[in-house]
Amino acid sequence: AQSVAQPEDQVNVAEGNPLTVKCTYSVSGNPYLFWYVQYPNRGLQFLLKYITGDNLVKGSYGFEAEFNKSQTSFHLKKPSALVSDSALYFCAVRDKVTGGNNRLAFGKGNQVVVIP
Amino acid sequence: DAGITQSPRYKITETGRQVTLMCHQTWSHSYMFWYRQDLGHGLRLIYYSAAADITDKGEVPDGYVVSRSKTENFPLTLESATRSQTSVYFCASSRGDYSNQPQHFGDGTRLSIL
Repeated sequence: AQSVAQPEDQVNVAEGNPLTVKCTYSVSGNPYLFWYVQYPNRGLQFLLKYITGDNLVKGSYGFEAEFNKSQTSFHLKKPSALVSDSALYFCAVRDKVTGGNNRLAFGKGNQVVVIP
Repeated sequence: DAGITQSPRYKITETGRQVTLMCHQTWSHSYMFWYRQDLGHGLRLIYYSAAADITDKGEVPDGYVVSRSKTENFPLTLESATRSQTSVYFCASSRGDYSNQPQHFGDGTRLSIL
């Protein structure tokens, strides 16, 4: 079975400081990994994905994520946070072996609050 | 580019009533999904569909019915609504040719059952 853990309910960061949102995953094979962002009263928006290759993945709005196979982690990062980055962030995983049905396992989400 | 649209955006109904949530996508994606989002539970998959006339249960299917007669539409029906089904419902779609494709979400339906 595939699963995701996002250990922190809320992440507070000062504007201009680096932002990190943590994610660890569990799959039986190799993973496809995704990050999504959700703003109030909106659906989830795709930010970036890791499929294979370079462990550092760059995505939308200046976000990037680092895949670490030995630690089974896929932490989301942004070098300098903006107030507009305040939102709910979801990590998701799909096992390549059983990925044929396109189902994703989502974490419970992290609320990011960027303080002006 | 309309993408994926859900209707209605807000709905209030009473226990025991039947209610249908609509989802329409313009990308011709083969896969479609229904999730519910509740505080403390994140997103939970209700049903999904790999193509027209092919549907399958997710984690929490009890009390829900789906159909998919056309690729672009994937309605979700609560046959006899209960208060525990008060939630925000999201529809999503994805391409079916590769399983590394992201899902794309609608803006949700906020459903309250009194």
